[in-house]
Amino acid sequence: AQTVTQSQPEMSVQEAETVTLSCTYDTSESDYYLFWYKQPPSRQMILVIRQEAYKQQNATENRFSVNFQKAAKSFSLKISDSQLGDAAMYFCAYRSAVYGNKLVFGAGTILRVKS
Amino acid sequence: SAVISQKPSRDICQRGTSLTIQCQVDSQVTMMFWYRQQPGQSLTLIATANQGSEATYESGFVIDKFPISRPNLTFSTLTVSNMSPEDSSIYLCSAITGRGQPQHFGDGTRLSIL
Repeated sequence: AQTVTQSQPEMSVQEAETVTLSCTYDTSESDYYLFWYKQPPSRQMILVIRQEAYKQQNATENRFSVNFQKAAKSFSLKISDSQLGDAAMYFCAYRSAVYGNKLVFGAGTILRVKS
Repeated sequence: SAVISQKPSRDICQRGTSLTIQCQVDSQVTMMFWYRQQPGQSLTLIATANQGSEATYESGFVIDKFPISRPNLTFSTLTVSNMSPEDSSIYLCSAITGRGQPQHFGDGTRLSIL
């Protein structure tokens, strides 16, 4: 079974600075998707960014980018120019491209942004 | 992307009662899912809601406790039966619009059992 590990329960960043959230995963599959979701206190799950495993190029969405290392099974999220609105719980998630389409989530990282 | 509406957004229920949560998507979707998020924890998949047939449940979840319906491509319900304080959680509906597409989520239902 696939597992997703987020080793940082909590991170802090100064407004306008850059922060990186870590995620590793374990799978024997070669075709899959990886996602970062954001959950603010309002509890809505918001898709931040996604990466297809067959793509070598790292995904980027405005201030959010990933460092995808397939061999190392690592998928970190970098947030540049951090804003107060980035404060939330961030979840890394894995989904097989072949079996089931269900998401496997990591434990989450709480991101605090200091003004 | 699909817009997913969940009702109710929150409820406080008595022990031993049941509550049905509704999930409506604004477009046809291929797959719908129900997740549980216990306080301060990550999301755990309860089941995949299958249109016109019985839901597929994950280990640790059973149909008698969490009956699910999906009568069409855009609507599903989750019932939490015979509730106990341990069922106090956020329940989230999610959906996929097509192969390779990301899952989108509803705003969740915060359920508290007294």
